[in-house]
Amino acid sequence: ETGVTQSPTHLIKTRGQQVTLRCSSQSGHNTVSWYQQALGQGPQFIFQYYREEENGRGNFPPRFSGLQFPNYSSELNVNALELDDSALYLCASSSLAGLWSDQETQYFGPGTRLLVL
Amino acid sequence: AQSVTQPDIHITVSEGASLELRCNYSYGATPYLFWYVQSPGQGLQLLLKYFSGDTLVQGIKGFEAEFKRSQSSFNLRKPSVHWSDAAEYFCAVSKAAGNKLTFGGGTRVLVKP
Repeated sequence: ETGVTQSPTHLIKTRGQQVTLRCSSQSGHNTVSWYQQALGQGPQFIFQYYREEENGRGNFPPRFSGLQFPNYSSELNVNALELDDSALYLCASSSLAGLWSDQETQYFGPGTRLLVL
Repeated sequence: AQSVTQPDIHITVSEGASLELRCNYSYGATPYLFWYVQSPGQGLQLLLKYFSGDTLVQGIKGFEAEFKRSQSSFNLRKPSVHWSDAAEYFCAVSKAAGNKLTFGGGTRVLVKP
């Protein structure tokens, strides 16, 4: 069984730039969720993608956007980077048999650490 | 809106001693509850989860947690701590297993030799 992988592991950008983070979901999973974890805090939900559609969004501005591909991998894009975007970005995959499934658990990748200067 | 509180930011415990981490949640219906562990610079590893049924759940690495609806709590315990248990522990709640997770602020556990 292949676990959740994320790339790159580390990234340094400057304020105003754009960044793309990537996530490959665990084999057999069709749902990807993204979280932002600032230093010393718990992760915060950004959004979730199920079968290539956004399936819920947290309190993040529109400059945070995402994609999910037919193979269920996903991208997180952040435009106009701000200093406060510096954080560990975590991807989690799960498998929703249907929108009302309640038997699936989210498994996390190792994260991408983004530093905005 | 759902929320999670982990009252202890840091806990120091001697190796071999017992450990209990507190978690209190706020959610109107029956929650789905999780404990995750994060080693330095790593992602989150699931320790255990509660969906329904027996309120005492067993997880990996010798951890267990007890759901107490009357106290809105889901405390994590381990009878005898190993040095490798030093990490940060997060409690999380969701309205269904696949839905968004709301995390607490975490408890950092230090293990003394």
